[in-house]
Amino acid sequence: GIQVEQSPPDLILQEGANSTLRCNFSDSVNNLQWFHQNPWGQLINLFYIPSGTKQNGRLSATTVATERYSLLYISSSQTTDSGVYFCAVSAGYQKVTFGTGTKLQVIP
Amino acid sequence: KAGVTQTPRYLIKTRGQQVTLSCSPISGHRSVSWYQQTPGQGLQFLFEYFSETQRNKGNFPGRFSGRQFSNSRSEMNVSTLELGDSALYLCASSPGQAWDGYTFGSGTRLTVV
Repeated sequence: GIQVEQSPPDLILQEGANSTLRCNFSDSVNNLQWFHQNPWGQLINLFYIPSGTKQNGRLSATTVATERYSLLYISSSQTTDSGVYFCAVSAGYQKVTFGTGTKLQVIP
Repeated sequence: KAGVTQTPRYLIKTRGQQVTLSCSPISGHRSVSWYQQTPGQGLQFLFEYFSETQRNKGNFPGRFSGRQFSNSRSEMNVSTLELGDSALYLCASSPGQAWDGYTFGSGTRLTVV
């Protein structure tokens, strides 16, 4: 199956700092999403981005499908950004594979 | 519109018992997927149902089963519970063929004692 690696595994930021999270995947995919899991366990869909670039407020994401990676940018981080960020991929109708996540802590 | 609803939110069971979890998708969504999340294994795919048919299955033993009803609601069942089945069980729904609109419920936290 497809392997998904995320880096870094842990990240501590001062409030207001910027960060880049990376997701590498081992095979061609046509579905890729970024999720944020808050400290209460709720998973929120951030971006559906199998290719190209999207922006939503302070968050943006870029997927370069031909090179098998995706990046999530967080600018001007806030304490509410804390939690775990997951990248998830699938090819066609195959099962979805989640990465191991990046645990982000934003400190005031 | 209402989100994905999972019931119950919390559950405590004894080893050897069985358990049934429920997931009601967003209205109009035909695909329901189930995941197990544990600290050690992360988020692992259990199975996906689309229009009452199992479309994909993860690498879990046969003690884990599921089904989907004609109204798209889904249930998953775990028989002969083991301590290692303690986890957060999440379901996600999507409109159907594609991933757009993939939305998770709040999960059911199962503790096996």
